[in-house]
This record gives sequence, structure tokens and C-alpha cells, in this order.
Amino acid sequence: GAVVSQHPSWVICKSGTSVKIECRSLDFQATTMFWYRQFPKQSLMLMATSNEGSKATYEQGVEKDKFLINHASLTLSTLTVTSAHPEDSSFYICSARDMVGSPHYGYTFGSGTRLTVV
Amino acid sequence: RKEVEQDPGPFNVPEGATVAFNCTYSNSASQSFFWYRQDCRKEPKLLMSVYSSGNEDGRFTAQLNRASQYISLLIRDSKLSDSATYLCVVNIFDFGNEKLTFGTGTRLTIIP
Repeated sequence: GAVVSQHPSWVICKSGTSVKIECRSLDFQATTMFWYRQFPKQSLMLMATSNEGSKATYEQGVEKDKFLINHASLTLSTLTVTSAHPEDSSFYICSARDMVGSPHYGYTFGSGTRLTVV
Repeated sequence: RKEVEQDPGPFNVPEGATVAFNCTYSNSASQSFFWYRQDCRKEPKLLMSVYSSGNEDGRFTAQLNRASQYISLLIRDSKLSDSATYLCVVNIFDFGNEKLTFGTGTRLTIIP
């Protein structure tokens, strides 16, 4: 089945620094990847849709200059949290779908990155 | 109104019992429907897609009622390993773009 690899699994950084999270589709090409954020005891909230070779589409309320998304190839999307602050501490998850298959097959998620900003 | 609504629970049921979850969605343009399972501090994993005709996978049965915009999941003979949060997920297709929308999840704990 489709596999999405996400790194790092967890990261602790100092306030004001930047953190890059990578998401790779291992056995399929993903023209579109999605980035989510999940706070404790809440559901996943879509942050942005990452499109290969073009600009990402951000959801309302998500700062595009703070959460930089790059989707330079069909198998890799990155999310950079710039000038991170404690309120950015969260669980960040990417997902993708093998566009060759039916949308009814669902999406595969990366294992998530737990970011703690101190 | 939330786009996808679920009873957050928690549901605490004895091992071997049958448990049912419900979900409603508000956007009639929704085209694909799923139940995902999420364990604590882990990523969601696809449990099953949901079709209008209803579908079954072992102890799990999912139903979709498009007219009522309602989705259900039934778990029979529940096991301890079924303890998790169950997410109702709807995929909306809009001008060639897809967007997954998640319910808040229903937390299930199976009691020995």
C-alpha cells in the first residue's frame, strides 16, 4: 500500500528558531500533499494544500509567511515553521493520496511530527 | 455548524459488546467518506471507506445515507485492541481540488 514517510518524529526547539518537517511519498507520486495540525484533544485541522511545482494553498487563518511550504518534487513536500513560538507547539501531520487510484481509497498519513517550542 | 459532527464520547463499553458511532456532515458536495482510527499520539489510519450501499469488513460495518447526510460505524464483538479515537472524515471535491474534513473524533475504550 501507499506509504508516506515523515521526519522528524519529534523536535524540541528554542523560541525564535525555525524547524523544517519533511514528508515523502515512498512508493507513489503525490502531486498534492496536505499539511495538518492537531492540538491535544482536538481534531486534525487542515493548514495548507501543497501542490508540486506551484504555490501552496493555505486555509483561512494560517499565516503563509510563518508556515512555509515547498513541494519541489512529486515525492517530497516540506513544511518550515519559521520563528517558532510556544503556541506553535503541536502535532503536525502530512498526508497524500496516490492520484492514480480512486479517491475512495483514502489518504495515507505520515507518522506525524511532535513539535515543542520552549 | 461544524462541517463534520461526531459525538465526542467517551464511549466505555465491555469487551464483546457492540458499539455504534454516528456522524453527520453539512456539505452536500461531499463525495467520499471514511472512518479513520487514531491511537493516542499517533497518526490516523484508514479503517474503511464508506459507500452508499453499505460495506462490511470483518467486525466493522459502515453505512452512508446521502439524503440525511449521515454516516455510521458499527463494531461488533469489540476487542480491547479496538480502543482508540474514531474519526469521521469527508472528502469534498471543489473545482478539481480535494479537501479532507475531519470530525472531532469519538473516543472508545473497551473495558476488560
